[in-house]
Amino acid sequence: DSGVTQTPKHLITATGQRVTLRCSPRSGDLSVYWYQQSLDQGLQFLIQYYNGEERAKGNILERFSAQQFPDLHSELNLSSLELGDSALYFCASSPTGQGREKLFFGSGTQLSVL
Amino acid sequence: KNQVEQSPQSLIILEGKNCTLQCNYTVSPFSNLRWYKQDTGRGPVSLTIMTFSENTKSNGRYTATLDADTKQSSLHITASQLSDSASYICVVSANNFNKFYFGSGTKLNVKP
Repeated sequence: DSGVTQTPKHLITATGQRVTLRCSPRSGDLSVYWYQQSLDQGLQFLIQYYNGEERAKGNILERFSAQQFPDLHSELNLSSLELGDSALYFCASSPTGQGREKLFFGSGTQLSVL
Repeated sequence: KNQVEQSPQSLIILEGKNCTLQCNYTVSPFSNLRWYKQDTGRGPVSLTIMTFSENTKSNGRYTATLDADTKQSSLHITASQLSDSASYICVVSANNFNKFYFGSGTKLNVKP
C-alpha cells in the first residue's frame, strides 16, 4: 500500500459527460502529480501541484483541469469526454515535489468512455 | 529533445531464468534514474533510484546499473519468479525541472 488513495477505482460514462477523479496523497506529502496511461501506452504526465499551487504542466488538454485543496487532496476534472479519453488515470505524491524524491503512486482510476 | 527509450518492448522468459532490460535516455541535465515495476492495472512501484554518481543499485533480485557517460541503464532480474510478470518502467528526471520522463516500459512475462 503506497498510502496514496484514488477514488473511484472504476468509472464508466458517456461521451460529452464530465467526471471528477479524486486523489488523497500520502500523509505529509505536499506535492501531487496526475498521469494518464492509455491502453498499452506509457505514462503521460498531465499536471503537478505543490501545496495548493500549480507547479508544472504537461500534456493536459484544455478540457481537463485540476486543483489541489487546502487539505492537500487533489481533483482532476475531465469534461466533454471523448472515446479517446478512456484510460487509467494515476495520481502520485511526493514530499516536496522535487526531482530527487521518490514518487508514490495510487492504484489508479480506470475511466471508460462509451 | 528529452527522451527515454526502453528495450525490448516485451519479453517472455521461463521461471528461474535471468533477464536484462535496457533503458537509453537523452534527458539533460541528468538528475536521477528510476526503475518502477507496474503490475497490470496497478500503480507503479519504485524498485531503485540512482543518481549520477551511482553505478549499481540492488533491491533483492533486482539490480540496476547506470552508465552516465553513455546514458544507458539496465535492470537485471535474477532467478525470475512468476510474480515478476509486470511492466518495468524506466524514469529519468532532469536537474532543472521537477519533471519526470517516462519510458514506454518493457512488458515481462515469466512462464512456469
